[in-house]
Amino acid sequence: GAGVSQSPSNKVTEKGKDVELRCDPISGHTALYWYRQRLGQGLEFLIYFQGNSAPDKSGLPSDRFSAERTGESVSTLTIQRTQQEDSAVYLCASSPFVGLAHNEQFFGPGTRLTVL
Amino acid sequence: GENVEQHPSTLSVQEGDSAVIKCTYSDSASNYFPWYKQELGKRPQLIIDIRSNVGEKKDQRIAVTLNKTAKHFSLHITETQPEDSAVYFCAEGGGADGLTFGKGTHLIIQP
Repeated sequence: GAGVSQSPSNKVTEKGKDVELRCDPISGHTALYWYRQRLGQGLEFLIYFQGNSAPDKSGLPSDRFSAERTGESVSTLTIQRTQQEDSAVYLCASSPFVGLAHNEQFFGPGTRLTVL
Repeated sequence: GENVEQHPSTLSVQEGDSAVIKCTYSDSASNYFPWYKQELGKRPQLIIDIRSNVGEKKDQRIAVTLNKTAKHFSLHITETQPEDSAVYFCAEGGGADGLTFGKGTHLIIQP
């Protein structure tokens, strides 16, 4: 079946511009996660959705970052007034979250964002 | 989840030898401990996971051990092969929040 998809795969933007990153999770997966991975670094948790609600926004680095999810499906991560330190790969993952039991997170291919 | 520390950051072993990667965590509510493998330029993929009600789990050449009292868990890879070369991430989760990942271990298998 189809896995997690993300678009665009690559995005080059100028400092100060806004960008919107998209994630299509696996159908039926209620949990959706966004992570940031800088070059050669680990995975930095940004935000998590259970259904369309985001119970944990603690990882968002600043108020320039926001995310939403609609129809318990597609999610968009928006970065306003991009800065060079926003350059990274943004990874989305989905999971068949059942109750309070974590399940495997399936990752998308990521969006490589470069801010010039 | 809170802090997860992962060691070593780089591990080089001879092909055929064993590799061990260790992680410690601080959140006593953590109950789920997955390990992900990320090959260069690719997405992370789950290789094994363990829940807090067991102490050890094996899948062919890969095993994970968990010590909840000491708050640490380890990944063991036996009979290492060139295709095991990758970055490995441990993670922990508990309750209704995201996973907290370690900073990763770059495993290099020397031929």
